[in-house]
Amino acid sequence: IVMTQTPLSSPVTLGQPASISCRSSQSLVHDNGNTYLSWLHQRAGQPPRLLIYKLSNRFSGVPDRFSGTGAGTDFTLKISRVEAEDVGVYYCMQATHFPFTFGPGTKVEIK
Amino acid sequence: EVQLVESGGGLVNPGGSLKLSCAVSGFTVSNVFMNWVRQTPGKGLEWVGRVKSETHGGTTEYAAPVKGRFTISRDDSKNTVSLQMNSLETEDTGVYYCAAEGDWTFDYWGQGIVVTVSS
Repeated sequence: IVMTQTPLSSPVTLGQPASISCRSSQSLVHDNGNTYLSWLHQRAGQPPRLLIYKLSNRFSGVPDRFSGTGAGTDFTLKISRVEAEDVGVYYCMQATHFPFTFGPGTKVEIK
Repeated sequence: EVQLVESGGGLVNPGGSLKLSCAVSGFTVSNVFMNWVRQTPGKGLEWVGRVKSETHGGTTEYAAPVKGRFTISRDDSKNTVSLQMNSLETEDTGVYYCAAEGDWTFDYWGQGIVVTVSS
């Protein structure tokens, strides 16, 4: 499964909303009805950190300004109000089909 | 507190071998699926392989580019997972992460270890 993301780079303004799109080459709806699409965030020099799993579930400790939506092959990560700590690269990842695959990443930086 | 700490990386010649280890604290590795994920300049984030939990038979699965060259094992007495890498190629250069799998995602990651394959 090929994952694509747009944009690949996104200058954002502090306090303003931001969104990142992710598209899969096949539907990510599993036979069990779940959609195994995750979002991860990676700061420079750090490992990726899980933000959202199973399409729209925030991982423990993730601020509620992050939300995940979408269906089928089209997905969106939204940040309601960007904070300075949100800079870095955001990746979508699918686990519906084996093997797991990642998007190329979207770099978010402050204007 | 959950911690995953990789070790064993370094510089190796093409065709050589290297063994990475991932020491885990905060949970028992035999109870979860443990994965290796790498980040390379050429392909970005790439799943490498995993060892399933004991209740799922403890079997291993690998990505096509590494199948037959890499082997994942688990040492329950030390609560560690290892990645034995043989016949290394320059394309294997990158940062290798161990990651715990929960609810069909990677919920905990190690800090990563650098592997450089070069002559």
